[in-house]
Amino acid sequence: QPVVTQSSSASASLGSSVKLTCTLSSVHSNYIVAWHQQQPGKAPRYLMKLEGSGRYNKGSGVPDRFSGSSSGADRHLTISNLQSEDEADYYCETWDSSSQVFGGGTTLTVL
Amino acid sequence: EVQLLESGGDLVQPGGSLRLSCAASGFTLNNYAMSWVRQAPGKGLQWVSTISGGAYNTYSADSVKGRFTISTDKSKNILYLQMNSLRVDDTAVYYCAKQLSGSSPATDAFDVWGQGTMVTVSS
Repeated sequence: QPVVTQSSSASASLGSSVKLTCTLSSVHSNYIVAWHQQQPGKAPRYLMKLEGSGRYNKGSGVPDRFSGSSSGADRHLTISNLQSEDEADYYCETWDSSSQVFGGGTTLTVL
Repeated sequence: EVQLLESGGDLVQPGGSLRLSCAASGFTLNNYAMSWVRQAPGKGLQWVSTISGGAYNTYSADSVKGRFTISTDKSKNILYLQMNSLRVDDTAVYYCAKQLSGSSPATDAFDVWGQGTMVTVSS
């Protein structure tokens, strides 16, 4: 079963950019992941699906400020022109052998 | 519009039972793998259980295996989670989630989430 690792926290200033990373276990380095955003007190929201090639497909209504990229086992979510509403928890998800696996989540603080 | 609406969360004593419901609208449950995911207070997301489209197969996390049962009523387009022998560490918000594509489980991401229902297990 894949292991998904995320930093517990990140911070960046309003209007700047931030890159969040989730890292797959080495034997699963080619797996596709999805990124989800969870604003305080709300349900998760699907942002995008991201392949090992760096190709990504965003969910309906996800702003252009959100983009994805990949490098080896790392899957990145970049948020440009940070807004206050981007302050949230961000979860990385992958799947294998009849189960879904989540990373521990990254709490993003917008300064 | 595709939507999921959970209900059934409550306060229950350890050892008790509860059934959660997830009403789907805007799509047919039978065509997609559907799952339950939970989130303990202040913690991250944890996959609980998945049912294949058509309800041919079910899969559960080891922590709930033998205690929780996932099912669907295709006539009502509702997903269920029957929870028995509840423990204090089952306390969490329970979300239902739709797989982006396909009826086979664990073949795609979750693309639609419900708003969640709170289950509290305490004496």
